[in-house]
Amino acid sequence: DQQVKQNSPSLSVQEGRISILNCDYTNSMFDYFLWYKKYPAEGPTFLISISSIKDKNEDGRFTVFLNKSAKHLSLHIVPSQPGDSAVYFCAAGFQKLVFGTGTRLLVSP
Amino acid sequence: DTEVTQTPKHLVMGMTNKKSLKCEQHMGHRAMYWYKQKAKKPPELMFVYSYEKLSINESVPSRFSPECPNSSLLNLHLHALQPEDSALYLCASSQEGTVSYNEQFFGPGTRLTVL
Repeated sequence: DQQVKQNSPSLSVQEGRISILNCDYTNSMFDYFLWYKKYPAEGPTFLISISSIKDKNEDGRFTVFLNKSAKHLSLHIVPSQPGDSAVYFCAAGFQKLVFGTGTRLLVSP
Repeated sequence: DTEVTQTPKHLVMGMTNKKSLKCEQHMGHRAMYWYKQKAKKPPELMFVYSYEKLSINESVPSRFSPECPNSSLLNLHLHALQPEDSALYLCASSQEGTVSYNEQFFGPGTRLTVL
């Protein structure tokens, strides 16, 4: 049973535009949510997080939105850059981290 | 030093071999983790050490044996593995021993192939 889902396996965006990556979860006990970026042959790199008491957290070009009633979170990257091309994992935490299946983002010049 | 290092980068072993994976961090983190990641799948938690004590074992087969010699080191001893155990093994660490409000820093992983 996949508790954290990323329904879009891939996303293509032009440089300078907004990238929106989505994530849905089923377990209402999750109280902390994170986004990680992963390049090939490297471990995941932490990007941004949000606790369940907030609905938005912003860090530079990255903003995470949390909609608890819909059990949905999203990551907005504005403006997108070619160096953002990677696989993005959302993760949800309660006692342990559960990762989503990942979305491959391709930002073209 | 904000790195988690893992050795070796690649490992090929037979089903009768004994080998070990090593992970090291010098960030003063008190929790360390082993994850397994198969191709096109998310990382899956295997073990958590909190303050050098095993706190979570996700029902991992006994052919995987973790060890935490000190707060900076984490080993994963491998014995009698199966070909389906071939995967990327990721180590991570976090400042505190609990998940909440606490991001994990990952190493680059060890790519394991079992023949």
